[in-house]
Amino acid sequence: GAVVSQHPSRVICKSGTSVKIECRSLDFQATTMFWYRQFPKKSLMLMATSNEGSKATYEQGVEKDKFLINHASLTLSTLTVTSAHPEDSSFYICSASLGTNTGELFFGEGSRLTVL
Amino acid sequence: KQEVTQIPAALSVPEGENLVLNCSFTDSAIYNLQWFRQDPGKGLTSLLLIQSSQREQTSGRLNASLDKSSGRSTLYIAASQPGDSATYLCAPSTSGTYKYIFGTGTRLKVLA
Repeated sequence: GAVVSQHPSRVICKSGTSVKIECRSLDFQATTMFWYRQFPKKSLMLMATSNEGSKATYEQGVEKDKFLINHASLTLSTLTVTSAHPEDSSFYICSASLGTNTGELFFGEGSRLTVL
Repeated sequence: KQEVTQIPAALSVPEGENLVLNCSFTDSAIYNLQWFRQDPGKGLTSLLLIQSSQREQTSGRLNASLDKSSGRSTLYIAASQPGDSATYLCAPSTSGTYKYIFGTGTRLKVLA
């Protein structure tokens, strides 16, 4: 199956700093990737759709200036949490599609962000 | 706005039981529906994908069915094992896109 890798898996940072999370499709090209956020014991909330070579599409209520998404190549999308605050602490998961008619999504292992 | 509900929210069963996990969604105009498994602190593993023209999919001890008109999907797990313990999530995708909206999940615990 298709493999999606996220890095780092865990990150702890001080309040006010920025943190970058990478999402890579290892064995396929992904024109579209998705970023999700998961609060403890809650389901996944779609944050944005990341499109290669163009601006990301953000879901309602998600601050685009707080969560910067860049999809510079067909195998890499990055999420940067800017000026992080403790309420940004969460589990962030990315996914990618093969782009075939099946529409199947493959997920990374997730990145746990803790803001002190 | 699509809302996805899963029942039960939590389930604890002895090993060997056959299980039914339910998923309902408010907007029946979906494309695909995918069932996932999530282990604590981990990402998601795709279990079954029911494509738009299909009504069910099977993989090993898992069987998922989809009834778009009634807004329901069911995941059937046969002969449950302790290794099946995890959270199970269903997610329908918006028609014409890869955009999946996730349900609230069912936390399953299979006791040895």
